[in-house]
Amino acid sequence: SQQGEEDPQALSIQEGENATMNCSYKTSINNLQWYRQNSGRGLVHLILIRSNEREKHSGRLRVTLDTSKKSSSLLITASRAADTASYFCATDSSNTGKLIFGQGTTLQVKP
Amino acid sequence: DTAVSQTPKYLVTQMGNDKSIKCEQNLGHDTMYWYKQDSKKFLKIMFSYNNKELIINETVPNRFSPKSPDKAHLNLHINSLELGDSAVYFCASSHIWTEDGEKLFFGSGTQLSVL
Repeated sequence: SQQGEEDPQALSIQEGENATMNCSYKTSINNLQWYRQNSGRGLVHLILIRSNEREKHSGRLRVTLDTSKKSSSLLITASRAADTASYFCATDSSNTGKLIFGQGTTLQVKP
Repeated sequence: DTAVSQTPKYLVTQMGNDKSIKCEQNLGHDTMYWYKQDSKKFLKIMFSYNNKELIINETVPNRFSPKSPDKAHLNLHINSLELGDSAVYFCASSHIWTEDGEKLFFGSGTQLSVL
């Protein structure tokens, strides 16, 4: 299977704490993206990191990419209850929009 | 204004029926997609159209037929529905030959339940 794997599958933290999610993938990539999915909603793009980048920031989000280990991590700092959602990594190997998604990490942030 | 809108949001139907899901995007994107999310939340691409031309066609039963009348619309027709077709179907769009064109914009999903 080309599906990526995310770790952990579920994460529960208190508001204000940091949340770290990891993603591993199997093939070489052009870029890796992270998406958020609130319950019953569509996916929302959070951040994209290209294969020649190692780290990227966007607001409270920090993404790292290690192509030698075929892995990425998403760090959400100072989490809020509104961050409660499922987070998916997706890899793009072909620049055609064909994304290979991981299984997702379900994050619960308790107020 | 909704960027990628799909209808209906919920679809409950009997096995053997034929149904359609419609998708429209007002972002001016040139590429549209159908993704399927199963009960374990795995998302997998089904089809992709660029300027009304089919560019990705994954291993999907031929009971599924996408139709793109113009680059702002991509509909999905499903014949002879089966229990295993129950899932959430997401439409998405992107503008693949632009900066950040790899980023997908998703609709809110259509939850299909086949009884």
